[in-house]
Amino acid sequence: EMHLVESGGGLVQPGGSLRLSCVASGFTFSSHEMNWVRQAPGKGLEWISNISYSGLSTHSAESVKGRFTTSRDNAKNSLYLQMDNVRVEDTAVYYCASGIYFQQWGQGTLVTVSS
Amino acid sequence: DIQMTQSPFTLSASVGDSVTLTCRASQSIRTLLAWYQQKPGKAPNLLIYKASNLETGVPLRFSGSGSGTEFTLTISSLQPDDFATYYCQQYNTYPWTFGQGTKVDFK
Repeated sequence: EMHLVESGGGLVQPGGSLRLSCVASGFTFSSHEMNWVRQAPGKGLEWISNISYSGLSTHSAESVKGRFTTSRDNAKNSLYLQMDNVRVEDTAVYYCASGIYFQQWGQGTLVTVSS
Repeated sequence: DIQMTQSPFTLSASVGDSVTLTCRASQSIRTLLAWYQQKPGKAPNLLIYKASNLETGVPLRFSGSGSGTEFTLTISSLQPDDFATYYCQQYNTYPWTFGQGTKVDFK
């Protein structure tokens, strides 16, 4: 059974940094593109980044470009989101999701940006 | 960016009703559209991919159709477990984008 587990969320001050992780199990992680999707409190879903199987290619939403970096370690079945220079509007539940359509989702990790 | 517009915002229905949700894209996305169901406090769940393909394990009362810019999700006989929020998402062109969601609630 495919399984994704995010971690690393928490409270961070505006301008600060945070690194989210997503560990995969139950499928061949290195064969799947991976994504980060977020959901602000009471709001809809926002795709924020995608990374290719190899990790050599990434795409990001304009709202996070230049501030967030997506990477992966296929040997560790892990996906990462490095969040730098965070803003109050980055407050959200962050999900990792597999594939180009999001077949499997993690349970989400809450990031709160507040002073 | 491709804008995805869902209608209605809220749909009130009863168990056993057949309901249709609509998703429109601001430009053609061929059939590269997915539908998700989300319940409060939970991660979304994939229902349909490539506009009309039912994800494994999803009940047959769910069906999707459309191409280009107009898409629909139909639930043929609404069950208590189906009251949730539904999102469409295009994966034709980066940035991938979601619709704002349609909430299906009890009439």
